[in-house]
Amino acid sequence: DTAVSQTPKYLVTQMGNDKSIKCEQNLGHDTMYWYKQDSKKFLKIMFSYNNKELIINETVPNRFSPKSPDKAHLNLHINSLELGDSAVYFCASSHGAGGPGSFGPGTRLTVT
Amino acid sequence: DQQVKQNSPSLSVQEGRISILNCDYTNSMFDYFLWYKKYPAEGPTFLISISSIKDKNEDGRFTVFLNKSAKHLSLHIVPSQPGDSAVYFCAASAGGGADGLTFGKGTHLIIQP
Repeated sequence: DTAVSQTPKYLVTQMGNDKSIKCEQNLGHDTMYWYKQDSKKFLKIMFSYNNKELIINETVPNRFSPKSPDKAHLNLHINSLELGDSAVYFCASSHGAGGPGSFGPGTRLTVT
Repeated sequence: DQQVKQNSPSLSVQEGRISILNCDYTNSMFDYFLWYKKYPAEGPTFLISISSIKDKNEDGRFTVFLNKSAKHLSLHIVPSQPGDSAVYFCAASAGGGADGLTFGKGTHLIIQP
């Protein structure tokens, strides 16, 4: 069974559209994250969230919003997509904050 | 501002020899360091970690060394095996890591037969 799963694996869409990426973890972890890996291969934290607190990286545009229907899910909604949003997005989870964490397989988003 | 730096984009090592991957950091608040391994089209997988109260942690073929004064850590893999070919990311967190992990850019390790 996949520990952290993401859907879709690939997402191609046009500028201006709104899209969502889903993430589920079956590890019983209490903290979930979204990371963005840009064209320079840096993995950067976007959000960390547990059932008490959402921490947002201040550099993330407010077009990005995490939604957590329950402890096992943290979905990423992106409004008004821009070309610069093209990247691979990784979901992750951990017991407590800071890792080590388990990562999902990534979602490659291409905005045209 | 790169707080975690992996200055070698790639490293080629012969099978059976030792692989040494290096990582430098600038944030003195970092107190927990991790190494992840990533295969193509997969997410990073946790490999080994070290707390700032230690200077060495060993797990099988993998050993991580931490030099706090130099703000430097290294991952040693010995002996290197073909399945070790992957991208290795160094990561760090501070004060419980509520802000998540800060990653380096990764080093692509290639094990030559």
